[in-house]
Amino acid sequence: ETGVTQTPRHLVMGMTNKKSLKCEQHLGHNAMYWYKQSAKKPLELMFVYSLEERVENNSVPSRFSPECPNSSHLFLHLHTLQPEDSALYLCASSQDPAGGNTDTQYFGPGTRLTVL
Amino acid sequence: AQKITQTQPGMFVQEKEAVTLDCTYDTSDQSYGLFWYKQPSSGEMIFLIYQGSYDEQNATEGRYSLNFQKARKSANLVISASQLGDSAMYFCAMRERENSGGSNYKLTFGKGTLLTVNP
Repeated sequence: ETGVTQTPRHLVMGMTNKKSLKCEQHLGHNAMYWYKQSAKKPLELMFVYSLEERVENNSVPSRFSPECPNSSHLFLHLHTLQPEDSALYLCASSQDPAGGNTDTQYFGPGTRLTVL
Repeated sequence: AQKITQTQPGMFVQEKEAVTLDCTYDTSDQSYGLFWYKQPSSGEMIFLIYQGSYDEQNATEGRYSLNFQKARKSANLVISASQLGDSAMYFCAMRERENSGGSNYKLTFGKGTLLTVNP
């Protein structure tokens, strides 16, 4: 595996379900990110982890719970979601989020989530 | 004011022709980075090209080049010799400090331009 991988690629869940999204990076990076991409809206940053510590949480509802057990893996635990949470969830990684303006984020293929 | 403005919701180009996708940005920082990403219908956001605010030369990566005009605060993407596989959404993004003098950086994306390459 190379780059950034995400599983599952597609997920349909009911509002009472609990599910998790998984992201894995094979680039040796120190930072990982979760983004939400809704139709006709710019990409929204949700969470940032640097060296397994959460460094940013952009006012995301508590029904989204991130977990970063090590610098290569990132999870997004989902529970009691709403239909408006349906979106493409993208994971990204970068070498060093404090590394100035050249730090480039590399993205995974995304998980397309539908909440019924 | 929007940080990143992409004024073209959609663009069409004939195969093998060149196309320019517009991007203007707004920042008071002297140091910032500009990025272009491609997003095919499959969803993955693919990094294409980077331009630093202090770079004197326009960035190039294969068929991609960035027309950087600092005074105008524009960073247009030029794709030469378009191919059918270039059909996708293209996003311009800027990385800058969240607060003046701070150590946190933020990457802000535009709304994107949908490019369609016609055979």
